[in-house]
Amino acid sequence: AQRVTQPEKLLSVFKGAPVELKCNYSYSGSPELFWYVQYSRQRLQLLLRHISRESIKGFTADLNKGETSFHLKKPFAQEEDSAMYYCALLTGRRALTFGSGTRLQVQP
Amino acid sequence: NAGVTQTPKFQVLKTGQSMTLQCAQDMNHEYMSWYRQDPGMGLRLIHYSVGAGITDQGEVPNGYNVSRSTTEDFPLRLLSAAPSQTSVYFCASKGLQNTGELFFGEGSRLTVL
Repeated sequence: AQRVTQPEKLLSVFKGAPVELKCNYSYSGSPELFWYVQYSRQRLQLLLRHISRESIKGFTADLNKGETSFHLKKPFAQEEDSAMYYCALLTGRRALTFGSGTRLQVQP
Repeated sequence: NAGVTQTPKFQVLKTGQSMTLQCAQDMNHEYMSWYRQDPGMGLRLIHYSVGAGITDQGEVPNGYNVSRSTTEDFPLRLLSAAPSQTSVYFCASKGLQNTGELFFGEGSRLTVL
């Protein structure tokens, strides 16, 4: 069965420090992975997807099939990055399976 | 476009009561889904639909019913509410050709006493 694991419930860093939000997945098929973000009082929204290999708001994520990971990284955290981050896996049913989420706190 | 609209935003029920959470989207999306969000458990899929007249169960379907009579609407029904159904509920939609970008509603906070 498919599973997405985000081991950290809370990650607290200082402004300007590097950030890495961990995501591991379990899936027998070819994975399609995504990061979603929920800022305070805003709707959950797509941040980036592995297929497009893009950088959004300074965040990047590389799919590592050997380690079954899709960690989200940013070299220099900003206070406005504080939010809830969810890793998600698209399954064969075209439904998204989400991890439990990691709250990122960027302190000034 | 309003996007995905959920009503009500807040609701308090007593155990055993029934209610319907409404979800409507104006983006002509074929795919619609309901998730519940609980602390420490993230978002869990309840039910989903890939088009009018088609519904399927997600990870946690027990205690919930859905129907999809139109492309725009996807209501979620609780027939006999239980305290374990206290949660924040999110409706989300996407086009079938879109692999992974779900568009979410603002959420509905339900408390069952």
